[in-house]
Amino acid sequence: DVKVTQSSRYLVKRTGEKVFLECVQDMDHENMFWYRQDPGLGLRLIYFSYDVKMKEKGDIPEGYSVSREKKERFSLILESASTNQTSMYLCASTSGTVLSYTFGSGTRLTVV
Amino acid sequence: TQLLEQSPQFLSIQEGENLTVYCNSSSVFSSLQWYRQEPGEGPVLLVTVVTGGEVKKLKRLTFQFGDARKDSSLHITAAQPGDTGLYLCAGGGETSGSRLTFGEGTQLTVNP
Repeated sequence: DVKVTQSSRYLVKRTGEKVFLECVQDMDHENMFWYRQDPGLGLRLIYFSYDVKMKEKGDIPEGYSVSREKKERFSLILESASTNQTSMYLCASTSGTVLSYTFGSGTRLTVV
Repeated sequence: TQLLEQSPQFLSIQEGENLTVYCNSSSVFSSLQWYRQEPGEGPVLLVTVVTGGEVKKLKRLTFQFGDARKDSSLHITAAQPGDTGLYLCAGGGETSGSRLTFGEGTQLTVNP
């Protein structure tokens, strides 16, 4: 089975800190995605990547950046964490145009 | 921007009852997927439907894609407490590559 691993299940950070969320997939998928999930707002796409060193903005990229130096790893960076970035962050991957996402277990980030 | 609206947003029923969740859009999708998410976990793919009018069954779950490929439904027969979770529909656009549009989800609670 495809596995998508997110490095932390729970994270507490202080306002202004630089935060790194890591995501690794083990099935050689080209496409990787970062979402945040908030009650009443559903899943909102932050950034996605179709290839190494390639990135595209999603619907809510402000305050975030990403890095994809290797095919299997897609990192989400909060440049200066703020309390409104407290959320559940989900990483997903898929291959080519096959529309069956595999999600990680999520990282629940709290910014205090 | 393509939007998917799910209804109802919340559903609480007794074990053994039947239920239907709806996913509607004004846009045409090339495919429609349903995911289930349990607390503290990422969404897990249940099914993908790609042909207008298509019906797929997964044990007690029946999924249907509308003839015009703008809507879908999920019907659960004889619900069980293990069906409890957040059900998400997601649509793939004909020009959006592997990027999916997610509905806001239906939170289902099945009481014993």
